[in-house]
Amino acid sequence: DAGVIQSPRHEVTEMGQEVTLRCKPISGHDYLFWYRQTMMRGLELLIYFNNNVPIDDSGMPEDRFSAKMPNASFSTLKIQPSEPRDSAVYFCASSLTPGNTEAFFGQGTRLTVV
Amino acid sequence: QKEVEQDPGPLSVPEGAIVSLNCTYSNSAFQYFMWYRQYSRKGPELLMYTYSSGNKEDGRFTAQVDKSSKYISLFIRDSQPSDSATYLCAMRADSWGKLQFGAGTQVVVTP
Repeated sequence: DAGVIQSPRHEVTEMGQEVTLRCKPISGHDYLFWYRQTMMRGLELLIYFNNNVPIDDSGMPEDRFSAKMPNASFSTLKIQPSEPRDSAVYFCASSLTPGNTEAFFGQGTRLTVV
Repeated sequence: QKEVEQDPGPLSVPEGAIVSLNCTYSNSAFQYFMWYRQYSRKGPELLMYTYSSGNKEDGRFTAQVDKSSKYISLFIRDSQPSDSATYLCAMRADSWGKLQFGAGTQVVVTP
């Protein structure tokens, strides 16, 4: 298996634009997690899914953020409109187990909003 | 105050030395403790996982948990340049709970 695949690896966009980040989890993993990593706040869980259903979105910072998982092999994280403070590395992770201890992370999307 | 405190470093050691990393936490409900390694421009990968107090050893890595002091440690013996990375501690209260991560400590092992 190729692991968790995220795209794009880098994204530079202007403030106010819509940004869509994509993730393909490891096949067979029922849990998918979206994280954001910044120098100031470290690694934060934004939302996680079980069997394509959002379970906990309490980490989503604002209504500008939304996430979907239309099927077991694809998820998106959308920011609309984007702001400079959204600049961060966004990680997607997937796991077999309910807790995210054994989660496998993708390589991340580095987002810069100018 | 953050629930999990971790010195960001950088921590620079010569090859072959012991690397000592630690985290403190404030939530006495935490029972599951992990250490992740993150190479530059990569996602974190799980290194060690410990439940409750005690020690766990895996090759050159030893994880220690002292719940009475709310303090966890990771030791890397015979450090190698390939150990240069950021090490993040993480913990949660139960098997379903949200992981709380430390800020990560950058480690540099010089040849």
